[in-house]
Amino acid sequence: QKEVEQNSGPLSVPEGAIASLNCTYSDRVSQSFFWYRQYSGKSPELIMSIYSNGDKEDGRFTAQLNKASQYVSLLIRDSQPSDSATYLCAVYNAGNMLTFGGGTRLMVKP
Amino acid sequence: ETGVTQTPRHLVMGMTNKKSLKCEQHLGHNAMYWYKQSAKKPLELMFVYSLEERVENNSVPSRFSPECPNSSHLFLHLHTLQPEDSALYLCASSYTVLSNEQFFGPGTRLTVL
Repeated sequence: QKEVEQNSGPLSVPEGAIASLNCTYSDRVSQSFFWYRQYSGKSPELIMSIYSNGDKEDGRFTAQLNKASQYVSLLIRDSQPSDSATYLCAVYNAGNMLTFGGGTRLMVKP
Repeated sequence: ETGVTQTPRHLVMGMTNKKSLKCEQHLGHNAMYWYKQSAKKPLELMFVYSLEERVENNSVPSRFSPECPNSSHLFLHLHTLQPEDSALYLCASSYTVLSNEQFFGPGTRLTVL
């Protein structure tokens, strides 16, 4: 079982819709969770961090964490074509090393 | 200059060459990392340095040799690479190694012929 799993996509949503990106992780003791956005040919850019159960909102982005289900998600409201990118979920494991999922490619169609 | 910088941005080398990748962070962080990103594979952690001491070596072949002379600079020395080592090499930094947010440099696109 992979430590951090994401659906590779592509996830295609129309402009203005809500994009929902999901991630599951295997290490029950993980405490820190991150979402990175990576445009093609560029490096990952941190967009959200979440440390406790529940929702955390930042502009059009909402991160949701459920430690009991070992599940973290990212919602993007009012999706724009500029949001089209690969979204990487990252989790600190028990060894305090950041482990990345394979990423979900999001396509927002005008 | 701010953030994390990497040079060169692109590198083409033969299998017998020796080259070095350089990373510099201007964030006052104490931890630095090398990652490898190959096509269609997740980011792979290669090396971790905390206050210039290596704290993690993730089973990386010896043809990759890291060096961290101070908390702001990190090098990756390359020697006798293989074509399968072609990838995007990313440097990152964080305030400490303990569950902190990591910030990435722009990466070096390496092609081994």
